[in-house]
Amino acid sequence: DAGITQSPRYKITETGRQVTLMCHQTWSHSYMFWYRQDLGHGLRLIYYSAAADITDKGEVPDGYVVSRSKTENFPLTLESATRSQTSVYFCASSESMGHYGYTFGSGTRLTVV
Amino acid sequence: AQKVTQAQTEISVVEKEDVTLDCVYETRDTTYYLFWYKQPPSGELVFLIRRNSFDEQNEISGRYSWNFQKSTSSFNFTITASQVVDSAVYFCALRASGGSYIPTFGRGTSLIVHP
Repeated sequence: DAGITQSPRYKITETGRQVTLMCHQTWSHSYMFWYRQDLGHGLRLIYYSAAADITDKGEVPDGYVVSRSKTENFPLTLESATRSQTSVYFCASSESMGHYGYTFGSGTRLTVV
Repeated sequence: AQKVTQAQTEISVVEKEDVTLDCVYETRDTTYYLFWYKQPPSGELVFLIRRNSFDEQNEISGRYSWNFQKSTSSFNFTITASQVVDSAVYFCALRASGGSYIPTFGRGTSLIVHP
């Protein structure tokens, strides 16, 4: 089925470990985004991408790395996880520069212990 | 710069009450898009509506209605005859046209509808 899927849905990792959150969309949307959601902060943009091989930092990029070698995939890597990165992470995509809205994945709940 | 303010952190109502969720935005652009999303307890973000800055007509969809007023930079969302299933966090978002396709989200309003 077409859509935007995130994996895993839940992840527990230890401080200092590297962890990668996956995001895959089947619409060939050019634009993709990673947000984190924390109580009291709403949705904060981590990284975004306008096309394959084009990525840029958002509001809270520190500690995260992204890549986009293919249009449909936009993985987010925490290079050395910290407890402050415990959060719910959402991937989103859009066509036409977001004129018609943004479609979100189901989220990944990450706990860093 | 663009900004979205949802001043109501949490609203609690009893079923069948009408409730309005406020959204105030800031942008220097004359062309922009406004959105509302719903996040039910299950956690996914569900798109509700999009409005562009040239269309000031209010919209109604069943029990949901949206009031867009450029004069006050507001895009408020009203639920008529609320139901328990309306309990969710609601986010307002703005996407201005000034060279950026990045949406800015408000912090969300948590709506609790009691039976």
